[in-house]
Amino acid sequence: GESVGLHLPTLSVQEGDNSIINCAYSNSASDYFIWYKQESGKGPQFIIDIRSNMDKRQGQRVTVLLNKTVKHLSLQIAATQPGDSAVYFCAENPSSGGYNKLIFGAGTRLAVHP
Amino acid sequence: EAQVTQNPRYLITVTGKKLTVTCSQNMNHEYMSWYRQDPGLGLRQIYYSMNVEVTDKGDVPEGYKVSRKEKRNFPLILESPSPNQTSLYFCASSLQGGETQYFGPGTRLLVL
Repeated sequence: GESVGLHLPTLSVQEGDNSIINCAYSNSASDYFIWYKQESGKGPQFIIDIRSNMDKRQGQRVTVLLNKTVKHLSLQIAATQPGDSAVYFCAENPSSGGYNKLIFGAGTRLAVHP
Repeated sequence: EAQVTQNPRYLITVTGKKLTVTCSQNMNHEYMSWYRQDPGLGLRQIYYSMNVEVTDKGDVPEGYKVSRKEKRNFPLILESPSPNQTSLYFCASSLQGGETQYFGPGTRLLVL
């Protein structure tokens, strides 16, 4: 089975409820943020991104909110489904000046109960 | 289909036996990277490559080597594997560094 989820904070929700997953980022100069979803046995999969000149961006059933004042990022999933069960990571790019990497958060496990 | 592929997906080996994990992308991405993922430690970057023949160390490069002779391929080499390299490894690529990275399916390595 998937061992990457050990020691992660877990959010448990009922199917159909809305989910909010939070992430605190480290660098006030970061200008680009990404949310990834990792299902058991698979690689991280891109969900949605946002640049620092925005505070909200919507996708299909997902919304990302960015609060630069408190360096906080959140992912909202509407009408959560069993298929949304996974580990969710945020990632930040510390600089728009060609910084060579993304910095990943530790992740949050989302458990959806029927 | 745009994708990042890795081989093998699962590997059991013994200490000291050299191995290579291959990574290939078909998106003409300039940037490629290797990560290892361990419980409680998240994704840690091993090496990355900004373009052909340009590679650099990430956060945990000890015990690993990489090469980038072609744009599409970025193999990870363990010259003398040790048990502390038992982990889940991911290759990723992006158009440029710092942009959205697309991940391969992972390689689970067990070093005995």
